[in-house]
Amino acid sequence: DVKVTQSSRYLVKRTGEKVFLECVQDMDHENMFWYRQDPGLGLRLIYFSYDVKMKEKGDIPEGYSVSREKKERFSLILESASTNQTSMYLCASGPYRGAYEQYFGPGTRLTVT
Amino acid sequence: SQKIEQNSEALNIQEGKTATLTCNYTNYSPAYLQWYRQDPGRGPVFLLLIRENEKEKRKERLKVTFDTTLKQSLFHITASQPADSATYLCAPDTTDKLIFGTGTRLQVFP
Repeated sequence: DVKVTQSSRYLVKRTGEKVFLECVQDMDHENMFWYRQDPGLGLRLIYFSYDVKMKEKGDIPEGYSVSREKKERFSLILESASTNQTSMYLCASGPYRGAYEQYFGPGTRLTVT
Repeated sequence: SQKIEQNSEALNIQEGKTATLTCNYTNYSPAYLQWYRQDPGRGPVFLLLIRENEKEKRKERLKVTFDTTLKQSLFHITASQPADSATYLCAPDTTDKLIFGTGTRLQVFP
């Protein structure tokens, strides 16, 4: 079975802090994605990556950056956390370029105070 | 802009009945459409993928239809069970990524 793990289930940070969210997949997938999920807004794509050291902006990249130094690991970085970044963050991986099925991690619920 | 609509109201049905969830999309023509299940506090789980030329796809008690003329997909769960209670998300694709609907919450009561 595909396994996608995220570094934390719950995280509380202060406004202005730099936040790192880590995601690791164990199935040698090429594609990795970061989403945030908010009530009434659904899943929104922040960034995605098709290969090591490659990244593409999603629909809401402002305030975020990403890093993919190894194929299995995709990190989401909040350079200076703000309260409007309080959300559920979900990482996903997928086997092929293009919109094939995605496998999600358990999510990180981030609260910025 | 591309838009996906799923019924935001919860669907409540009795055990054993067929649940039917609707997904409508506008302003684009996806080649694929996917359905996911999400339980509270968990990440979505992939259920089915249907291609634009397939019209209908089945997997056990699940059935998905894809009408590119109506720009609509229907998701059916037959002989529903309380364990089917969850939120179901549809996700039509664009060139390189999925766009997810906000989901419909299904509640199956005994």
